[in-house]
Amino acid sequence: AQSVSQHNHHVILSEAASLELGCNYSYGGTVNLFWYVQYPGQHLQLLLKYFSGDPLVRGIKGFEAEFIKSKFSFNLRKPSVQWSDTAEYFCAVNAHSGGSNYKLTFGKGTLLTVNP
Amino acid sequence: DAMVIQNPRYQVTQFGKPVTLSCSQTLNHNVMYWYQQKSSQAPKLLFHYYDKDFNNEADTPDNFQSRRPNTSFCFLDIRSPGLGDAAMYLCATSRDPDRGAYNEQFFGPGTRLTVL
Repeated sequence: AQSVSQHNHHVILSEAASLELGCNYSYGGTVNLFWYVQYPGQHLQLLLKYFSGDPLVRGIKGFEAEFIKSKFSFNLRKPSVQWSDTAEYFCAVNAHSGGSNYKLTFGKGTLLTVNP
Repeated sequence: DAMVIQNPRYQVTQFGKPVTLSCSQTLNHNVMYWYQQKSSQAPKLLFHYYDKDFNNEADTPDNFQSRRPNTSFCFLDIRSPGLGDAAMYLCATSRDPDRGAYNEQFFGPGTRLTVL
């Protein structure tokens, strides 16, 4: 069964600091990869996604992520965070397992706190 | 705006008293999902509907049931809530992932269930 690991439970940064959130998955086949964000009191929103092509994907609000297949990783980055980036970030994987393409497996999430 | 709507946002029930959570969507998506998310944990898929076809996850307790009377609506029924069922319940939708390259899911705001 596929699994997703997010290494940091809580990250605290100051504004303008650079951000990298780790995400590793365990599945050897074809995957689609996602980062979702949940701002305080709001619903989960898609930040960016990878399904094929250029392994460096750019999402909304200046976020990007790089798919490194050899490392089974899909780390999220932002060069300069803002206070408004304070949120919980979830990495998710959809494995093309033949039986079902419907299932998204989520990591446990990383809470990002950005101090002004 | 097309969206996923969940009602109520907060639900309080008593131990053992049946409760129903509601989800509706204006996206006209084929697939609807129910997730359970407990504090500091990843969203956990309970089941999904592809049109009228119900797909239960193997580890979803029998206490949880679902109904999808039409494309727009999906209900989560908890027949006899226990204290351990207190959680955030998320509804999500997607287009048929077998017709596209990836399974992007759109989430509602969630219903927070409290069991007294």
